[in-house]
Amino acid sequence: EVQLVESGGGLVKPGGSLRLSCAASGFTFSTYTMNWVRQAPGRGLEWVSSIDSSGAYIYYADSVRGRLTISRDNAKKSLYLQMNSLRAEDTAVYYCANAIDGNYADIWGQGTTVSVSS
Amino acid sequence: DILMTQSPSTLSASVGDRVTITCRASQSISSYLAWYQQKPGKAPNLLIYKASSLQSGVPSRFSGSGSGTEFTLTISSLQPADFATYYCQQYHRYWTFGQGTKVEIK
Repeated sequence: EVQLVESGGGLVKPGGSLRLSCAASGFTFSTYTMNWVRQAPGRGLEWVSSIDSSGAYIYYADSVRGRLTISRDNAKKSLYLQMNSLRAEDTAVYYCANAIDGNYADIWGQGTTVSVSS
Repeated sequence: DILMTQSPSTLSASVGDRVTITCRASQSISSYLAWYQQKPGKAPNLLIYKASSLQSGVPSRFSGSGSGTEFTLTISSLQPADFATYYCQQYHRYWTFGQGTKVEIK
């Protein structure tokens, strides 16, 4: 079965850190650009970051640059998001998603929830 | 940054209605546009890519059109399973999503 499974979410205090993981199965993970997309409670979708298949090209939304770091391990078929200096506005469900030819996504995880609150 | 603007934000319709959602880009994105459907508590589901190509497994009542800066998603005959929120997404430069259109029961 083709799937992405996120983990690592939780409750953290402002200024704290979390590391999200996304495990891939059922498709050739190493050939896809991968993305993190988040959705704040009651809000729309916001692209966070993307990483190409080799890990050589990485891009971030302005809202997270310098605080969040995307990475991948193709041998482990896993995508990661290291989240530092967290703020209340980072509270959201975080989804990992593939990008067909670096474009749109046809595989999404179920999401993992990050809550930043004192 | 490329800004995507959807209209309307909310749409009330009945089963069997023809429904159209509009998405405008702040600059030309050629046909680098996708549409997703999202139901509460679930991940988005790809409906349309390249502005008008129907994703495998998606019912043919869904269709997309447009290029440049103006795009539409049409549901030809609304079904109970179609009450959801719809997002457009540009992938011309990075990703940007529209704010969403909630299709609710009239």
